[in-house]
Amino acid sequence: AQTVTQSQPEMSVQEAETVTLSCTYDTSESDYYLFWYKQPPSRQMILVIRQEAYKQQNATENRFSVNFQKAAKSFSLKISDSQLGDAAMYFCAYKAAAGNKLTFGGGTRVLVKP
Amino acid sequence: KAGVTQTPRYLIKTRGQQVTLSCSPISGHRSVSWYQQTPGQGLQFLFEYFSETQRNKGNFPGRFSGRQFSNSRSEMNVSTLELGDSALYLCASSLLAGSQYEQYFGPGTRLTVT
Repeated sequence: AQTVTQSQPEMSVQEAETVTLSCTYDTSESDYYLFWYKQPPSRQMILVIRQEAYKQQNATENRFSVNFQKAAKSFSLKISDSQLGDAAMYFCAYKAAAGNKLTFGGGTRVLVKP
Repeated sequence: KAGVTQTPRYLIKTRGQQVTLSCSPISGHRSVSWYQQTPGQGLQFLFEYFSETQRNKGNFPGRFSGRQFSNSRSEMNVSTLELGDSALYLCASSLLAGSQYEQYFGPGTRLTVT
């Protein structure tokens, strides 16, 4: 079974600074997708960024970028120029190539200090 | 385009009762997945429906069931409620079944069992 691990329960960052969230996963599949979701206090899950395992190039979405290390099964998220609105729970998620089932990590709470 | 809607948003039930939660996907989306979120267990996959058929099921007891209607709306039912069923239940929809299709989450239904 696939597992996703987020080792940092909470991270704090100063506004305008950079923070990196860690995620490792375990799978025997060769084709899969990885995601970072943001869950603000409203509880609405929002997709931040996605990475296809077959793509070597790291995904980037504005201030959000990932460092995907397939061999190490590592998938970290970097938030640059942190803003107050970035404060939320961040979940790393795995999905096999077939189907829609998401396997989530335990989450990392990001606090942004003004 | 309207997002995923879930009703009711909040629900309080007593142990032993049953409950039905509803999810209306984004117009045109045919795949619906359900997740349970608790502080202790995190986000766990319940089941996935596509074209009125259950495609995948998570590791939950038979008290948890679901269905999908011809208009893609989905319901999940929990019978003989237990205190441990208190959770945020999230629904996600995607255009079709398959990993290349992004999943969009609803705001969730907060169920409290007393």
